[in-house]
This record gives sequence, C-alpha cells and structure tokens, in this order.
Amino acid sequence: IVLTQSPGTLALSPGERATLSCRASQSVSSSFLAWFQQKPGRAPRLLIYGASSRATGTPDRFSGSGSGTDFTLTINRLEPEDFAVYYCQEYGGSWTFGQGTKVEIK
Amino acid sequence: QVQLVQSGAEVKKPGASVKVSCKASGYIFTAYYMHWVRQAPGQGLEWMGWINPNSAVTKYAQKFQGRVTMTRDTSISTVYMELGGLRPDDTAVYFCARGPGGVFNIWGQGAMVTVSS
Repeated sequence: IVLTQSPGTLALSPGERATLSCRASQSVSSSFLAWFQQKPGRAPRLLIYGASSRATGTPDRFSGSGSGTDFTLTINRLEPEDFAVYYCQEYGGSWTFGQGTKVEIK
Repeated sequence: QVQLVQSGAEVKKPGASVKVSCKASGYIFTAYYMHWVRQAPGQGLEWMGWINPNSAVTKYAQKFQGRVTMTRDTSISTVYMELGGLRPDDTAVYFCARGPGGVFNIWGQGAMVTVSS
C-alpha cells in the first residue's frame, strides 16, 4: 500500500484550522490507519489510531476521519506547539508511512 | 513508566554491520511486538520490520530482507536490530517502537547511525 499525503507543506497561523489528507493506493482494512506528529530531533508521537480514535494524551482539537482509501487529520484552532510534521501510517500489514505534511507558521 | 531506551550513536564504514539495542521497561516485555523504523536525515519514516519478543518470530520489509536481523534477549528485556552491508544511504536515525495491535504507541529515543568512509 502506498500512502500519499497532501499538501506537502501547510502554512497557517495560530488559531486557524489545519486539514491534512492521506490517500491510500488500495483500501485500508478495518481502518488500520494512524497519524503521528514529529518535532525536530524527536521520535514520532502517536496521535490517532483506528482512523479516528485519539491516543492517550492527544488533545481533542485533533480529530481523524475517513475510511477505505481517503483519510483526514483535522487540527482545530492551531496552538504554537502543533507546528510540526505529520505522518499517516497503515498498520494492517504493510506498516507503510506517508511522506509527511509539514505544518508551518505563516 | 513504560519506556524504550536505545543504544547510542554509531559511526561505521561502508560494508560493515551495526547492531542497535532497545531496552524495554515498565511492561511485560513478551506481551507486545517490537517494530523498527528508520529516518534518513531530512526524510520520512521507513518501516523495517518487527520481532515477536515471545517467540522470536520476525517479519522484515522486503527492502531489507537478507541484510537485517532482529533478535531479542528476554532475560534483559532487550531487542536488537542488526543491519549488515552498510552503505552511505543507510545513514539514518533508527527507532524501535512498541506495537500492540500494530499501533506504535511507545517509541525509543532513536539511535543515529552514520555510514562514512
């Protein structure tokens, strides 16, 4: 499975909403789709699993949606600490990652 | 608390091998698969494979078949990832990640491996 994330970079201001897309080359079974946040020099952090379930500690401004081949991560009211790179991942057997979307300050 | 602590940075010459360790604590070591993921400088995340610490059964990404070996030592709750035939494009940070149900919810801090002559 190939995961394609768009856009590559998203320039937004604090308080705005971010909408990140992840498209799979074939259907992701049982919504085995996760989202991670990564900041420079740090390990990735799990945000969302099962396409829409927030991991422990994930603020509720983060939400995931989608099924099949199209998935979305939405970040409502961007906080300064949300500017980072976000990856989607399929974990139903290929454990493939998307190439990432960088959310940067406008 | 649950944590994964990895070994330190390594510098290797092309053609050599590197062995990175990942020590688990705070949970039952044999209960969860451990995955390895790498990230080249400025690049994205690349899954390498997993090991079942209970049975030692492994599964490797096709790209690394024949070059990677994942093992474990249950007596010290540690998994290892050995990559051979190193090339400059193997220069990356190597992460271990605990994967209950395939979900990578706990990550090690990463180990930088530099391959240079």
